[in-house]
Amino acid sequence: QSVLTQPPSASGTPGQSVTISCSGSTSNIGSNYVFWYRQLPGTAPKLLIYGNHKRPSGVPDRFSGSESGTSASLAISGLRSEDEADYYCGTWDDSVSGVLFGGGTKLTVL
Amino acid sequence: QVQLVASGGGVVQPGRSLRLSCAASGFTFSTYGMHWVRQSPGMGLEWVAFISYDESNKFYADSVKGRFTISRDNSKNTLSLQMNSLSAEDTAVYYCAKDYLVMIQIPIDAFDIWGQGTVVTVSS
Repeated sequence: QSVLTQPPSASGTPGQSVTISCSGSTSNIGSNYVFWYRQLPGTAPKLLIYGNHKRPSGVPDRFSGSESGTSASLAISGLRSEDEADYYCGTWDDSVSGVLFGGGTKLTVL
Repeated sequence: QVQLVASGGGVVQPGRSLRLSCAASGFTFSTYGMHWVRQSPGMGLEWVAFISYDESNKFYADSVKGRFTISRDNSKNTLSLQMNSLSAEDTAVYYCAKDYLVMIQIPIDAFDIWGQGTVVTVSS
């Protein structure tokens, strides 16, 4: 059971927007940076967001991250079929001195 | 280009040991912290361990503490994970990953480069 809570699934149609949430506590999201990964089946995760809201070079601005208190969100606008993947949030936790990941959200593009 | 290549996976009996390696290239390995992350079949990501750029700090997940040891050889651009007392719960794809920030002691932000993963299967 993950300490960071994500919805197990999300869905949207092409062109729509979808938001994936990540809920934590004061020892993790509340005091450290949140990052987000996308993982396609059989491949390594790819970094989408770091430092709560920053995008690495090459990640389109359709992806945006935000954080408020002990929760964070990943928003994807203009959904495309290739966005269908698993999405994970992560952060450092001060109380366990370790990195935590959310359980992952499977995004389906209908 | 920046690349991480993990190796050393295989099938091992419960209670035995295995050593994973990760060869780094395309960046100044000695200035970045490194991680191991694993993913059991059909499951999510689980962070395993971190070692700082200068080996002065090491952190482990509770699930592997006391059994796994992370190490690095900056002269050979190589990261390692020694895994002892393996059990079926350790069966997973093991990824090595590079920390995003340079010369930090605590991994406060993301890992930006991941290796392709190496498969560890613990079975009798």
